[in-house]
Amino acid sequence: ETGVTQSPTHLIKTRGQQVTLRCSSQSGHNTVSWYQQALGQGPQFIFQYYREEENGRGNFPPRFSGLQFPNYSSELNVNALELDDSALYLCASSLPRLAGADLSTDTQYFGPGTRLTVL
Amino acid sequence: QKEVEQNSGPLSVPEGAIASLNCTYSDRGSQSFFWYRQYSGKSPELIMFIYSNGDKEDGRFTAQLNKASQYVSLLIRDSQPSDSATYLCAAVMDSNYQLIWGAGTKLIIKP
Repeated sequence: ETGVTQSPTHLIKTRGQQVTLRCSSQSGHNTVSWYQQALGQGPQFIFQYYREEENGRGNFPPRFSGLQFPNYSSELNVNALELDDSALYLCASSLPRLAGADLSTDTQYFGPGTRLTVL
Repeated sequence: QKEVEQNSGPLSVPEGAIASLNCTYSDRGSQSFFWYRQYSGKSPELIMFIYSNGDKEDGRFTAQLNKASQYVSLLIRDSQPSDSATYLCAAVMDSNYQLIWGAGTKLIIKP
């Protein structure tokens, strides 16, 4: 167990709907990254939040948005769902890379994921 | 486009043998590398990280890093059927410290 939790576990939506996925990070971790993983693929980076601000974004359209709260928990929102959005959505928490920090702080710890199906 | 490449497999290894998984990366500035194991339908779980050239051992697992050749490998000794999973390699990009992932190698350990 990594201490990272995600909700819900599974979700079924229809095209055009909106969805919010939630993540609670491991105690002491103030950085949260979100990934989309399609079947048979590696995780694709969506974005990262550090201290409530977006700290990097992958190649995803603006209808993918996020938030991080003062307690470091995070949300991923997806608007206007498309069939291709069906995937496993993963949240990972970590410590930030700070000057002089041990490189082991790059380690990301994953939650169990949310399986989203868009019909 | 920064990339991490892995052979998708499946790699089939007899129980008790050594499984060897390989990964190459394109960002020469990457400093940290990770191996994660992912069972079907589950999230990735960390096996090892490595950031120094050479070997790093942890139990039955040995990670090897060669920065000059830009490859990372994972050896699993005394392979067990429970090691059957997809193994994901990831590298931290030097420019923004984001993780770049390979697509994973499916490993099958045959009893």
